[in-house]
Amino acid sequence: KQEVTQIPAALSVPEGENLVLNCSFTDSAIYNLQWFRQDPGKGLTSLLLIQSSQREQTSGRLNASLDKSSGRSTLYIAASQPGDSATYLCAVTEGTYKYIFGTGTRLKVLA
Amino acid sequence: DAEITQSPRHKITETGRQVTLACHQTWNHNNMFWYRQDLGHGLRLIHYSYGVHDTNKGEVSDGYSVSRSNTEDLPLTLESAASSQTSVYFCASSDASPGYEQYFGPGTRLTVT
Repeated sequence: KQEVTQIPAALSVPEGENLVLNCSFTDSAIYNLQWFRQDPGKGLTSLLLIQSSQREQTSGRLNASLDKSSGRSTLYIAASQPGDSATYLCAVTEGTYKYIFGTGTRLKVLA
Repeated sequence: DAEITQSPRHKITETGRQVTLACHQTWNHNNMFWYRQDLGHGLRLIHYSYGVHDTNKGEVSDGYSVSRSNTEDLPLTLESAASSQTSVYFCASSDASPGYEQYFGPGTRLTVT
């Protein structure tokens, strides 16, 4: 059974730092991996989607990488800002359209 | 712009009552999903649908049902609400290709007293 883990559960950094969020999964036979952002009391906003044939995706200050063989993905945030404070979730799908979610990393960027 | 809407956004109900949460998407996506989000458990799949008249059980489907009569809507019904069903419920949709990217609604906060 696929399990998705995100460590650490919470992270505080000063503004301007570059940071990396980690996501690991137990079964490498995934179809794609998606990173989401969730603000308190809000829904999930899609940040980046990486298909299994891709190694990374970039959007603005965000870069997500995927290493299927090792069961890992990282989300790199450059020059962090207080507005980046949120919970970041990763999710994988194995080709059945269903996503399996990690429990998230709660990020706080201090001004 | 295409979107997913959920209603109501907040609901308080009593134990034993039937409750229906609405989900409406204008993406014209075939796939629709219902999740619940609880502290310590993350997002868990309740039910999902791959198209009209198709419904499937997820990992936490007991006490819930769905029906899909058109592409746009997937209502979630709690047959007899229980306090354990107090949660935040999210609806999502995705297309079949190219990457199954999921789009989420704003959520419904349900409290069962």
